[in-house]
Amino acid sequence: GAVVSQHPSWVICKSGTSVKIECRSLDFQATTMFWYRQFPKQSLMLMATSNEGSKATYEQGVEKDKFLINHASLTLSTLTVTSAHPEDSSFYICSARTSEYEQYFGPGTRLTVT
Amino acid sequence: GQNIDQPTEMTATEGAIVQINCTYQTSGFNGLFWYQQHAGEAPTFLSYNVLDGLEEKGRFSSFLSRSKGYSYLLLKELQMKDSASYLCAVMDSNYQLIWGAGTKLIIKP
Repeated sequence: GAVVSQHPSWVICKSGTSVKIECRSLDFQATTMFWYRQFPKQSLMLMATSNEGSKATYEQGVEKDKFLINHASLTLSTLTVTSAHPEDSSFYICSARTSEYEQYFGPGTRLTVT
Repeated sequence: GQNIDQPTEMTATEGAIVQINCTYQTSGFNGLFWYQQHAGEAPTFLSYNVLDGLEEKGRFSSFLSRSKGYSYLLLKELQMKDSASYLCAVMDSNYQLIWGAGTKLIIKP
């Protein structure tokens, strides 16, 4: 099946700094990627839909100026958490769509903001 | 509104069978997915149902009834490694996935 990678797998940063998370589709081109956030013992929460070459579509309640998404190529989307705060600590997961019905997940990035 | 319901937690015994139910109310329907998620890892795809009936894949089977807005995931011959959260997700009319909160399955020896 299709492989999606994320980097880094975990990151610790200080409050007020910015963190960039990369999501890559390794063996296919993904015109659409999704960014999710998952807090402990909760389900996935869709943050935004990232479309190659256009602006991301953010879900209600997600601050687009805080969570910057760039989908510059068909194999790479990045999520930058700007001015991170401890409440941003979470498990961030990306996924890439290969067709309307197929979606593959990256391994996730655990962000801890101290 | 859109809603996916599944039990929060279930416990079963190694070697036994367990059925995890999922009911849904969504704007449109383009299929129902089951994913397995181990703690600290991303979800992995288990099954996809778009037509009514039972889909069998090894020890795992998934059933769908569109008229009832109902699905279940059936796990047979349970193994300790099956301890995980099982997520039900429905693809709505916009081809977006609506996620349930997940069912934590605990397997006891």
